[in-house]
Amino acid sequence: QVQLQESGPGLVKASETLSLTCSVSGASVKSYPYYWGWLRQPPGKGLEWIASIYYNGRPSYNPSLGSRVSISADTSKNQFSLSLSAVTAEDTAVYYCARDTDGWATFDVWGQGTVFTVSS
Amino acid sequence: QSALTQPRSVSGSPGQSVTISCTGSSSDVGGHDFVSWYQQHPGKAPQLLIYAVTKRPSGVPDRFSGSKSGNTASLTLSGLQAEDEADYYCCSYAGPSTFVIFGGGTKLSVL
Repeated sequence: QVQLQESGPGLVKASETLSLTCSVSGASVKSYPYYWGWLRQPPGKGLEWIASIYYNGRPSYNPSLGSRVSISADTSKNQFSLSLSAVTAEDTAVYYCARDTDGWATFDVWGQGTVFTVSS
Repeated sequence: QSALTQPRSVSGSPGQSVTISCTGSSSDVGGHDFVSWYQQHPGKAPQLLIYAVTKRPSGVPDRFSGSKSGNTASLTLSGLQAEDEADYYCCSYAGPSTFVIFGGGTKLSVL
């Protein structure tokens, strides 16, 4: 079955850049018609979509995060990655990667999540 | 764009039915038939319950059903069970500029 696994540093200093990677098994990030996305959940709060990348490499971003966010895919490693620059305490959250089956906000497979904390 | 509006909490007794509402706008819930619902137990990743307003992925019991009227989508859980106690989130496609928007979440308590 399809499995996703997030990896990355658990702690980053304020103003630095967060980089996370999602390793995919059981499916290919090049497979039509899937999107591969990043979402997050601050402590005690709800879910927020961050970005997605289509099978052909086309990205889409949450406009509220502006130019701080970037998503990319490494098809040779069957991974996709998130970069979030100039982090602040508000970026502290559990970060999830997930598969969107059709680009219409249908996230059917999720990683277990990785905790990310911004230190001052 | 603001998050979709959900009640903070709902409750019900085992065997009863409860409905969780999710109110948006004509730009998201009302404008597209792409509303999904997720169940999240404490410390766990969310799980897809409903997609495209009314469809259930394989493995999701038919006790869970979705509907939509205007700018409000709803998730109904019938025959409540103890294991249904969790947080529930609605999500909607919101067009080519905003893409994806979530509700604030609803905590379901099974009394």
